[in-house]
Amino acid sequence: EPEVTQTPSHQVTQMGQEVILRCVPISNHLYFYWYRQILGQKVEFLVSFYNNEISEKSEIFDDQFSVERPDGSNFTLKIRSTKLEDSAMYFCASGGGAETQYFGPGTRLLVL
Amino acid sequence: GQNIDQPTEMTATEGAIVQINCTYQTSGFNGLFWYQQHAGEAPTFLSYNVLDGLEEKGRFSSFLSRSKGYSYLLLKELQMKDSASYLCAVKAAGNKLTFGGGTRVLVKP
Repeated sequence: EPEVTQTPSHQVTQMGQEVILRCVPISNHLYFYWYRQILGQKVEFLVSFYNNEISEKSEIFDDQFSVERPDGSNFTLKIRSTKLEDSAMYFCASGGGAETQYFGPGTRLLVL
Repeated sequence: GQNIDQPTEMTATEGAIVQINCTYQTSGFNGLFWYQQHAGEAPTFLSYNVLDGLEEKGRFSSFLSRSKGYSYLLLKELQMKDSASYLCAVKAAGNKLTFGGGTRVLVKP
């Protein structure tokens, strides 16, 4: 069964550094998403991406964040100048249409 | 704004049935999702409802009433491995999902 994959599984970084989180969505899916979950809290939407552009973004997704689909398979989330409060689990999700969103295993980001 | 409520925790016995309720108040409605999340893991898709009624999928069923802003997830023949958090998520507009806080279900022998 096809799955969303994410790398790395864990990332530790120093405050102020940039990180890039990588995702490979399910191959025939057209809709891509990033969510995050701070420990013990709700899953929060960050951004959705369709047809090579951002279709929606939340208030969290400010100028510190950017997304890219550099080739036909990868979907990346870049976080510039990381802050302590960026520590969270970051989930990529993909969907073939409106009725599905399948989540990847996540990247646990720890900002020190 | 969006408001999604579900109980924080429920306990049930192996082999029994548990019903997890979710109420929502959102500006717009394009569908409701249920996910299972084990501790430290990703949400796993369980069901999607966009029309009123019951959707059955093996031991899991999900119900939706749009007029009442209400859904439930029914877990039958509970197994120990069903101990997890169950997340209700609403798609109000576009494809963005807004999640509730999750219901932690503990299955006891």
